Amino acid sequence: DQQVKQNSPSLSVQEGRISILNCDYTNSMFDYFLWYKKYPAEGPTFLISISSIKDKNEDGRFTVFLNKSAKHLSLHIVPSQPGDSAVYFCAAMGGADGLTFGKGTHLIIQP
Amino acid sequence: EADIYQTPRYLVIGTGKKITLECSQTMGHDKMYWYQQDPGMELHLIHYSYGVNSTEKGDLSSESTVSRIRTEHFPLTLESARPSHTSQYLCASSETGGPTYEQYFGPGTRLTVT
Repeated sequence: DQQVKQNSPSLSVQEGRISILNCDYTNSMFDYFLWYKKYPAEGPTFLISISSIKDKNEDGRFTVFLNKSAKHLSLHIVPSQPGDSAVYFCAAMGGADGLTFGKGTHLIIQP
Repeated sequence: EADIYQTPRYLVIGTGKKITLECSQTMGHDKMYWYQQDPGMELHLIHYSYGVNSTEKGDLSSESTVSRIRTEHFPLTLESARPSHTSQYLCASSETGGPTYEQYFGPGTRLTVT
């Protein structure tokens, strides 16, 4: 049973607009959440994270929002740039070591 | 900049061969991990280590084995490769007791077993 779900396999956004990537989780033990970006034939690169004691964390163009009651988090990228085209993975941690990943969302930024 | 390396980057090998995927990091991290990812799917944790001489199995059952004789080195071995082992293998490391749970990933090894 998938504990971290990214229900949109792909998302297409126009350059300069806001990209919103969503992630849902089911395990109440998760207390830390991360977003990774992955290009083909490369390993994931850490983007931004958020602790369960916060509801928002911002780093430049990237903002992550956490709604604990809904077990939902989202990554906002604004403005979207062509270099943002990649697969974005939501990951969660709580208790055991290792991260639990979603299946990823392929973000395509259209010029 | 994360300094974690994996070799080979790509490997095509026949069924029944023994293979070792190398992973090294120069950050002095105690914790290291191996993940397996099939195309379009999530990364699954298959092995992790808290430090030298520590190895644990992850959430996804795997026929591979790992060793941790040195802090910087965490190789993964398949004694007899099979087509079902075809996948991408990603190594990662993280600090112990740091303020975040960020894991740094290597570039991965794409394994094809024919």
